Amino acid sequence: QKEVEQDPGPLSVPEGAIVSLNCTYSNSAFQYFMWYRQYSRKGPELLMYTYSSGNKEDGRFTAQVDKSSKYISLFIRDSQPSDSATYLCAMRTGANSKLTFGKGITLSVRP
Amino acid sequence: ETGVTQSPTHLIKTRGQQVTLRCSSQSGHNTVSWYQQALGQGPQFIFQYYREEENGRGNFPPRFSGLQFPNYSSELNVNALELDDSALYLCASSLRTGVNEQFFGPGTRLTVL
Repeated sequence: QKEVEQDPGPLSVPEGAIVSLNCTYSNSAFQYFMWYRQYSRKGPELLMYTYSSGNKEDGRFTAQVDKSSKYISLFIRDSQPSDSATYLCAMRTGANSKLTFGKGITLSVRP
Repeated sequence: ETGVTQSPTHLIKTRGQQVTLRCSSQSGHNTVSWYQQALGQGPQFIFQYYREEENGRGNFPPRFSGLQFPNYSSELNVNALELDDSALYLCASSLRTGVNEQFFGPGTRLTVL
């Protein structure tokens, strides 16, 4: 079993839709949870990170962590064609900076 | 623009050869981590350098080695290349170890024939 599992894709939605991206994990030592966006032929770009359980909002993006269920989500409201990219969840323990990533899901937002 | 640069952009090598990839971290960042991203997969942690010392390593064999220089730039060296080493190699820099804001470079795409 992989430490971090991410919903398989690809995912295609119409412009304006609410998108929900999800990851589950098995290592209860993970404390910090990140979402990265990666455009084709580019490096990952940090969207947001959260510590422990709870919600965090940044513009159209909301990250949600449920440590009891070992489940994290990223919600994108009013999705735009420019949101079309691969979204990667990542997490780390408090011990070091090593990030453990999910496989990524490719999102396509249709105009 | 993250400020992290990597060179070269693309590289083609044959099996058994050796390769050196380079990374310049963002200004003021003293920690560099290297990741391998195979096609269709998430990045996998190779190792991290902090103040010129290796500070953590993932499940990669010893033929993957690295260096960090006094200006915090870094190199990733891979010896005895195998076909499975074909991937995008990413470096990420941060202000210090144990932080959440790691900034990735655009990567070096390595193809091993």
